[in-house]
Amino acid sequence: QVRLVESGGGVVQPGKSLRLSCAASGFFFSNYGVNWVRQAPGRGLEWVAVIWYDGENKYYADSVKGRFTISRDNSKNAVYLQMNSLRVDDTALYYCARDRLQWRELPNPDDAFDVWGQGTMVTVSS
Amino acid sequence: IQLTQSPSSLSASIGDRVTITCRASDDISNYLAWYQQKPGKAPRLLIYGASTLQSGVPPRFSGSGSGTDFTLAISSLQPEDFATYYCQQVNSYPPITFGPGTKVEIK
Repeated sequence: QVRLVESGGGVVQPGKSLRLSCAASGFFFSNYGVNWVRQAPGRGLEWVAVIWYDGENKYYADSVKGRFTISRDNSKNAVYLQMNSLRVDDTALYYCARDRLQWRELPNPDDAFDVWGQGTMVTVSS
Repeated sequence: IQLTQSPSSLSASIGDRVTITCRASDDISNYLAWYQQKPGKAPRLLIYGASTLQSGVPPRFSGSGSGTDFTLAISSLQPEDFATYYCQQVNSYPPITFGPGTKVEIK
């Protein structure tokens, strides 16, 4: 069964750090890029970051650039999101989501996010 | 690239045909996907490449469009289709962007 499971969320004060994990199973993990997408309470979806299948390239939304770092360990079938200097407006449910296409490097019209985790909640509050 | 969706919400009855529009601020060819999200659940991929149905998605869902204007249609609304729908562009990133969503409610 193809599955992604996020963990690591919690309540944290502004300026602090948190590390989220996304554990994959049921597919050949090292062939796929993985994204983080967040959703603030009652709001829409916001893409946060992506890491390519081989970990060579990473891209970030402007809202988190310089504060968040995405990484992966293909030997553990896991992707991580290190979140530093957290702000109140980072409060959201964080999902990890798989790229639909294997070994995708360039934008492709057939790409999308075909597998999603259940999300982990991050609350930034003093 | 910015995405807008219209309407932001709609009320419809079971069996109705429903259409949702997504407009891109620049030409994205067919680099567009559609998702369905129910309350408390993760998004579910419906359509990619603007018009290709994801495996397991009922054929009452269809997508069309190219360039800047796209449409998601539900041919005959079912009770399980009441949800929020998002479009997403994958043409130009970073960033990948989502539309603001369209909430489909029961009339």
